[in-house]
Amino acid sequence: AQKITQTQPGMFVQEKEAVTLDCTYDTSDPSYGLFWYKQPSSGEMIFLIYQGSYDQQNATEGRYSLNFQKARKSANLVISASQLGDSAMYFCAMSLFSGGGADGLTFGKGTHLIIQP
Amino acid sequence: DAEITQSPRHKITETGRQVTLACHQTWNHNNMFWYRQDLGHGLRLIHYSYGVQDTNKGEVSDGYSVSRSNTEDLPLTLESAASSQTSVYFCASSERRDYEQYFGPGTRLTVT
Repeated sequence: AQKITQTQPGMFVQEKEAVTLDCTYDTSDPSYGLFWYKQPSSGEMIFLIYQGSYDQQNATEGRYSLNFQKARKSANLVISASQLGDSAMYFCAMSLFSGGGADGLTFGKGTHLIIQP
Repeated sequence: DAEITQSPRHKITETGRQVTLACHQTWNHNNMFWYRQDLGHGLRLIHYSYGVQDTNKGEVSDGYSVSRSNTEDLPLTLESAASSQTSVYFCASSERRDYEQYFGPGTRLTVT
């Protein structure tokens, strides 16, 4: 079964600094996707970025980038120039594509990021 | 604009009662999912559906059931609510398995 590990329960970062949130995954399936979601204190789940296992380049979306190291099975989220509004829970998740359809996401336990002014 | 909604947003029920949580999406997505979120566990998959009349069990499906009679709705039923089912429940949908899932706002369920 697939597994996602986020080793940083909480992080404090100064505003405007870059942040790296760690995520490692475990699967024997060669075809999979990795996702990052943000959950602010209001509770909604906000999609940030996606990386496919066969993608050659690291994904980027505005201030978010995904540092994908396939051999090490890591998919770290990098937030450049952090802002106070980035304070939230961040979840790494994975979906396997070997089946005929969508089998749902496996989530890590999350990292609580607090941006300090 | 297309959206995904859940109702009720908050519910308190008693142990042993049947409870149904509604999920409605206007994205016209075939793939729909139910997750529960508990402190220390992240989100865990309860049930999912690839399309009408299709349902599948997820990681924590015991005590839950779903049915899919149309594309837009995937109601989640707790047959006999237990205190261990106190949680926040999220519904989600996606167009393709390699696309992001869009999440509803969540339902906070308390079983007393």
